[in-house]
Amino acid sequence: NAGVTQTPKFRVLKTGQSMTLLCAQDMNHEYMYWYRQDPGMGLRLIHYSVGEGTTAKGEVPDGYNVSRLKKQNFLLGLESAAPSQTSVYFCASSTTLWEQYFGPGTRLTVT
Amino acid sequence: ELKVEQNPLFLSMQEEKNYTIYCNYSTTSDRLYWYRQDPGKSLESLFVLLSNGAVKQEGRLMASLDTKARLSTLHITAAVHDLSATYFCAVDHTSGTYKYIFGTGTRLKVLA
Repeated sequence: NAGVTQTPKFRVLKTGQSMTLLCAQDMNHEYMYWYRQDPGMGLRLIHYSVGEGTTAKGEVPDGYNVSRLKKQNFLLGLESAAPSQTSVYFCASSTTLWEQYFGPGTRLTVT
Repeated sequence: ELKVEQNPLFLSMQEEKNYTIYCNYSTTSDRLYWYRQDPGKSLESLFVLLSNGAVKQEGRLMASLDTKARLSTLHITAAVHDLSATYFCAVDHTSGTYKYIFGTGTRLKVLA
C-alpha cells in the first residue's frame, strides 16, 4: 500500500498562474482533506470531502477549489495563484472516527 | 470563535525529565487526536481519544481527554532525544462534522 500520495512534491508558480495538486489514497477511505501549513500557524483546513462527489469548505477556502470525482482522488486547484498561497500543502484521508493519514506534502512557492 | 490552544508552544527539556503538554479547545467535540511531526516531514498519528476519560499510552507518551473541561493532556515520562518533534492536537469543529481544527503545535526539544 502506498497510503496517501501527493503530486507534485515541489512547485514554483508566478502570481496569476494556475495549478492543480493531486492527492491519491489506496486505503478506500471515505474522508479526504486538504490543509495548508505555514510557520507558527499549525495546519489549517482548506476544503474537505466526506465522500465521492461531495466537498465542503474548511477554515480557509478562499482562492482554492476542489473536486472529488473518484473516491481515491482529491484535487486542489488554485485558479490564480497569489504570494499569500506560498505554503506547504498536506492532503490526508481517514475513515469515520479514526485518525487521518497524511501525505508527504507539496511545497508551493508563488513569486 | 473556535479555538484550539496548545501550551506551551515551545518546550526545551532535559532527558529523563517529565513534562505535560496541554490542549484546550472550545468546541463541543467528544473526540481528540494527537499527531507528531518531525522537521520537514509529514504528520503521523499518535493517539485517538474518542470519549470523556479516555486514556491512551504508548511508550513514554500518555494522552488523556476530559471533555467536560475541554482539555487534553499529553504527558511525557523520562524524555529521550528521539521524542524531539512538534506535537499537534486536533478536534472536530463541531461534533460529528469531520471538519478538523488543529492546534498551533508544541515544539519539543529534548536535550541530551
